[in-house]
Amino acid sequence: KAGVTQTPRYLIKTRGQQVTLSCSPISGHRSVSWYQQTPGQGLQFLFEYFSETQRNKGNFPGRFSGRQFSNSRSEMNVSTLELGDSALYLCASSLAVGQETQYFGPGTRLLVL
Amino acid sequence: QKEVEQNSGPLSVPEGAIASLNCTYSDRGSQSFFWYRQYSGKSPELIMFIYSNGDKEDGRFTAQLNKASQYVSLLIRDSQPSDSATYLCAGNQAGTALIFGKGTTLSVSS
Repeated sequence: KAGVTQTPRYLIKTRGQQVTLSCSPISGHRSVSWYQQTPGQGLQFLFEYFSETQRNKGNFPGRFSGRQFSNSRSEMNVSTLELGDSALYLCASSLAVGQETQYFGPGTRLLVL
Repeated sequence: QKEVEQNSGPLSVPEGAIASLNCTYSDRGSQSFFWYRQYSGKSPELIMFIYSNGDKEDGRFTAQLNKASQYVSLLIRDSQPSDSATYLCAGNQAGTALIFGKGTTLSVSS
């Protein structure tokens, strides 16, 4: 069974731009969670989607948004990029909301200049 | 603010020794706990999860949970250099998002 895939793997943007990241979950998994990982803050939860609905949300500003499609694929968008948005963005899939076994994708490394 | 706390390390152990990684959590409602391993430049991978008080063993790994003390630990027996990584502890209530600690870096010297 194929794992979680994320595209693109690397991205360089400038301040003020916006970016869209994509995540395809493991086949059959309906929940997708997004995390931001930085050296200083560790792994921080952004949001979780299940059946095209946001089920849980972390403490990030409204510039961070996401959505899920009927095939469970998910995208997250960051508008008006700031230098502090430079991070590794990880998506994880699981069978259901809050399900115990989350499988992480390889991540998208975003650098904001 | 629900938090999961871990010593950042590094924790250094010689090859063949037992590595003990610890984690405390603030949310008494947390029911499930997970240990992930993350190699440098890679994404986290699940090692094991534990729901019930006591010990749970899987190969060289043993997870321990004490809900009264709000304490979770991971023991790695016969540590190998390939175990050198950052270990992330996470917990949640049913249906809620996982809350991760910042991780403990383990270094196993040969």
